[in-house]
Amino acid sequence: QSVLTQPPSASGTPGQRVTISCSGSSSNIGSNTVNWYQQLPGTAPKLLIYSNNQRPSGVPDRFSGSKSGTSASLAISGLQSEDEADYYCAAWDDSLNGLYVFGTGTKVTVL
Amino acid sequence: EVQLVESGGGLVQPGRSLRLSCAASGFTFDDYAMHWVRQAPGKGLEWVSGISWNSGSIGYADSVKGRFTISRDNAKNSLYLQMNSLRAEDTALYYCAKEGQQLVPRFDYFDYWGQGTLVTVSS
Repeated sequence: QSVLTQPPSASGTPGQRVTISCSGSSSNIGSNTVNWYQQLPGTAPKLLIYSNNQRPSGVPDRFSGSKSGTSASLAISGLQSEDEADYYCAAWDDSLNGLYVFGTGTKVTVL
Repeated sequence: EVQLVESGGGLVQPGRSLRLSCAASGFTFDDYAMHWVRQAPGKGLEWVSGISWNSGSIGYADSVKGRFTISRDNAKNSLYLQMNSLRAEDTALYYCAKEGQQLVPRFDYFDYWGQGTLVTVSS
């Protein structure tokens, strides 16, 4: 089961700002960088944010990430209809033999 | 252009084996760690296994440890996942993913993903 907790859903109207939280622990978010992935319906996941707040080339600056302690968040400003997707946080977990953990996922709906 | 193409999925009975492959192109394969990530129908993402660029570091999720084996052939630009003792709960779409950082000993983030190959475990 996932050790990173996200709200199951979030929504907003076009142009609004939406924030998604990701709660972890000292063995994952607390000691490693956080990444975010976007999965549009019926497609493979896509890297959205890496190293807490870095955007890969081609990702609009409407997407931003932050981290504080054992929590992280993804913000989408100026929400657009094409942002309707599932969003997952992820991080390396140093516990036991180490493993990569994903969050529970958040479905963003554009109203 | 980076391309990752998975193959080898299908319908298999519980307890049987299956080998997945991922053909990579568009980047220097032997400079990057590679991973398998799966997604059960209607569920979230689960990291399955990862292997460093030189196969010196390998990790598995607890749910597959002892049953699955990851490997790579840098000469063939290919990644593999040998899955033994398959269970119904292994039913999922299996994605191949490329590590984002070059020549690092640890796993961090995945910057390219394939389209996945579906594994269905059922009698």
